[in-house]
Amino acid sequence: DAKTTQPNSMESNEEEPVHLPCNHSTISGTDYIHWYRQLPSQGPEYVIHGLTSNVNNRMASLAIAEDRKSSTLILHRATLRDAAVYYCILEGAGGTSYGKLTFGQGTILTVHP
Amino acid sequence: DTGVSQNPRHKITKRGQNVTFRCDPISEHNRLYWYRQTLGQGPEFLTYFQNEAQLEKSRLLSDRFSAERPKGSFSTLEIQRTEQGDSAMYLCASSLTGNVHGQFFGPGTRLTVL
Repeated sequence: DAKTTQPNSMESNEEEPVHLPCNHSTISGTDYIHWYRQLPSQGPEYVIHGLTSNVNNRMASLAIAEDRKSSTLILHRATLRDAAVYYCILEGAGGTSYGKLTFGQGTILTVHP
Repeated sequence: DTGVSQNPRHKITKRGQNVTFRCDPISEHNRLYWYRQTLGQGPEFLTYFQNEAQLEKSRLLSDRFSAERPKGSFSTLEIQRTEQGDSAMYLCASSLTGNVHGQFFGPGTRLTVL
C-alpha cells in the first residue's frame, strides 16, 4: 500500500483557516486521496476525496498538487468541533483491494478558543 | 449517527472466552468492512465483504478470528479463545462499491480482555 506522511500534530485558533498537509510521493496514477477524521470516542468520519483536481464540499476543500505527490486539506474556518485526528489515506483503484483503507498515525488537530 | 450500528458497545471478557460482535450496515450498502483500533493508533484493516462474499482478510488476522455476512446484510465478527492482546476497539464500516461517498463507520465495540 502506498504510504502517506503527515505531521503528528497541528494547532489552530477558532475561526481561522487550517491547512493540513500530506505527502504521498509514491502515489500511483490510479490512487485516490481520501481524508477522514476521528473525533474523540467516535468512529472515523469521511471528509473528502479526490483524484487529480481540487475538490470542495460542505466540510472542507482538498487541494492536490499538480504532480499529485502531496495534498492539503483546508478547513476554511476552524471550530472547536473540528478538533480531531485527521487521516490522509491513499486508496488503490481496481482489484479486490479496491476500497480498503490503510490508516496511518494521522495529524492531531487542536483548536484553541 | 451514521446509520451503521454495532452491538454491543462494550464487552468485558476473561481470557480464553469466545466473543461475538454484530454490525448492521446502511441497508443499501453492498460493502462492509471490519477494522481494529488500539489506543493511540489509527484503525487497522481486518477484513471486508462485498455482499455476502468475503473478499479479503488481513494477514494480521489470526485463525481465532472469523467473520460472516450471511445474505449480504448484517455481519458478525467472532474471536475465539480471546487473549489480552485482543483488547481494542472493533470498528465496522459500510459503503457502496467505489466509495464514492466514503465509508460510513459505526461507533465501535470496545473489547476488554481480562
